[in-house]
Amino acid sequence: GAGVSQTPSNKVTEKGKYVELRCDPISGHTALYWYRQSLGQGPEFLIYFQGTGAADDSGLPNDRFFAVRPEGSVSTLKIQRTERGDSAVYLCASGTGSDTQYFGPGTRLTVL
Amino acid sequence: GIQVEQSPPDLILQEGANSTLRCNFSDSVNNLQWFHQNPWGQLINLFYIPSGTKQNGRLSATTVATERYSLLYISSSQTTDSGVYFCAVGSGGSNYKLTFGKGTLLTVNP
Repeated sequence: GAGVSQTPSNKVTEKGKYVELRCDPISGHTALYWYRQSLGQGPEFLIYFQGTGAADDSGLPNDRFFAVRPEGSVSTLKIQRTERGDSAVYLCASGTGSDTQYFGPGTRLTVL
Repeated sequence: GIQVEQSPPDLILQEGANSTLRCNFSDSVNNLQWFHQNPWGQLINLFYIPSGTKQNGRLSATTVATERYSLLYISSSQTTDSGVYFCAVGSGGSNYKLTFGKGTLLTVNP
């Protein structure tokens, strides 16, 4: 079956711009996670959805970051007023609960 | 928060060799996963193993939760095993929130 997909695969933007990153989870997975991975580091947790609601957004670094999952499937991570420090690979994962998480290929964000 | 340490940070092997990767964690966990990140950046789940032992082909993993460590064994390594191996843990009621180690960079030479 299809895995987790993320679009775009690469995004280059200018400082101060707004970006949206999309995640399509595995069909039927109720849990969805966003992580951010900087070069040479492991992924860091951003936010967790169970169904349509954000059950835990404690990893979002500040209020420029926001994520939605309006119908309990596709999710969009939104970053306002991007900064150079936001450059990283943004990873999405999905699962059926608190066990195995299946990751997508990521979106590489570069803020110039 | 919980700390995760992986060792060794780097490992170079000849094809066919065996290896053991270690993951130590600072507190009790009820979620532990091993991942392989291939050279293209894709994270692939290898094991969900908060305790006990599992095997999948040439790979096996053991978690001793009471002693706060997990081991990943790779036997008869192949060049396609190259990449970064991550251990990730979760604990308590928010065990979905994985904390990753810095990984072990494995290079398997032909």
